[in-house]
Amino acid sequence: DAEITQSPRHKITETGRQVTLACHQTWNHNNMFWYRQDLGHGLRLIHYSYGVQDTNKGEVSDGYSVSRSNTEDLPLTLESAASSQTSVYFCASSSGLSSGANVLTFGAGSRLTVL
Amino acid sequence: QKEVEQNSGPLSVPEGAIASLNCTYSDRGSQSFFWYRQYSGKSPELIMSIYSNGDKEDGRFTAQLNKASQYVSLLIRDSQPSDSATYLCAVILSGSARQLTFGSGTQLTVLP
Repeated sequence: DAEITQSPRHKITETGRQVTLACHQTWNHNNMFWYRQDLGHGLRLIHYSYGVQDTNKGEVSDGYSVSRSNTEDLPLTLESAASSQTSVYFCASSSGLSSGANVLTFGAGSRLTVL
Repeated sequence: QKEVEQNSGPLSVPEGAIASLNCTYSDRGSQSFFWYRQYSGKSPELIMSIYSNGDKEDGRFTAQLNKASQYVSLLIRDSQPSDSATYLCAVILSGSARQLTFGSGTQLTVLP
């Protein structure tokens, strides 16, 4: 079965360290997204990609970067982790090809704690 | 004003009752609307999508869209304790192509 996998599921790091969260999907979806979820804020878009070599900034992109070298993967990098980046991170994908193309399928989430 | 707004709740209803969840959005040009359910500690999962004014029914769930008033609602009939979760409203705002903007969610508790 197709799936979207995030790793690690839990990560504790220190302020200033670089952290990369992995996202791998086997749906063959063109569109991939990274959201963060915090109490009271719902899901907020960090970065997104509509295809290989395409990346775009979302609502809360400061301090984060992504790259898309193939269809399956969209890793999220925190260049210098800050305590404000403690959150649950969700990767999601959608096909982008037809009606219903914008329905998101989510990964299980990665809980990041920055001390 | 937030682009997508939901009452944060918590909303409590007795088992068997109708739960009504509401969502308003600021962008009159929005065309696509979604309801996701999220159990505690889990990822969101799609319940309903709606694109046209009116009602859309799927089992115990009914989504209602009123573009003139800029709101979308979700009704859950015969609520069950297993419906206890956070319900997220999501909208594709005009000009945002394929990106969903989410409300902050409404926490629903169905009491046995």
